[in-house]
Amino acid sequence: AQSVTQLGSHVSVSEGALVLLRCNYSSSVPPYLFWYVQYPNQGLQLLLKYTTGATLVKGINGFEAEFKKSETSFHLTKPSAHMSDAAEYFCAVTLKTGANNLFFGTGTRLTVIP
Amino acid sequence: GAGVSQSPSNKVTEKGKDVELRCDPISGHTALYWYRQSLGQGLEFLIYFQGNSAPDKSGLPSDRFSAERTGGSVSTLTIQRTQQEDSAVYLCASSPAGVGNNSPLHFGNGTRLTVT
Repeated sequence: AQSVTQLGSHVSVSEGALVLLRCNYSSSVPPYLFWYVQYPNQGLQLLLKYTTGATLVKGINGFEAEFKKSETSFHLTKPSAHMSDAAEYFCAVTLKTGANNLFFGTGTRLTVIP
Repeated sequence: GAGVSQSPSNKVTEKGKDVELRCDPISGHTALYWYRQSLGQGLEFLIYFQGNSAPDKSGLPSDRFSAERTGGSVSTLTIQRTQQEDSAVYLCASSPAGVGNNSPLHFGNGTRLTVT
């Protein structure tokens, strides 16, 4: 079975500070991993994804995430937070092949303090 | 181009009534998903349609929930005899080929259902 755990339902950072949102997964087979973002009053949109190849993946708006198999982690980072980054972030996992279900974490709400 | 469209955006209903939620996926997307987003619960998978294949209904929480996808396009999620615990945001997403084929989901803005 697959699942994701997001540590911290709320994270607050100062504008310009490092953003680190944590995600750990469990999967019996190598996974596909995703981060989705939900801005206020908008639908979820894909931020970035890891499928194969390079373990450090870059997404939109300066975000990146690194797949670490040894730690079963896929943490999301951004060097310098901007006010517009305030949103809810969801980590998700699915199998590389076979089932098409996408399992989401419970989400982390990011607040950026001016 | 047009994204995934859901209607209504908000629905308030009395306990015991039936409701229908509609999803118009992106044209040409063969995969369609329904999720439920409850406060503090993340996104809960409900049902998945892929082309003409039998849908994956493994996430439907009870037999009061059902969904159809007509003509491989529009989908309707029906909740019969609504209960207060059904209150949530119901999200629809479509995808060109399903996430297992490295195809990301495109989400609608959701329908916020409130059962009083």
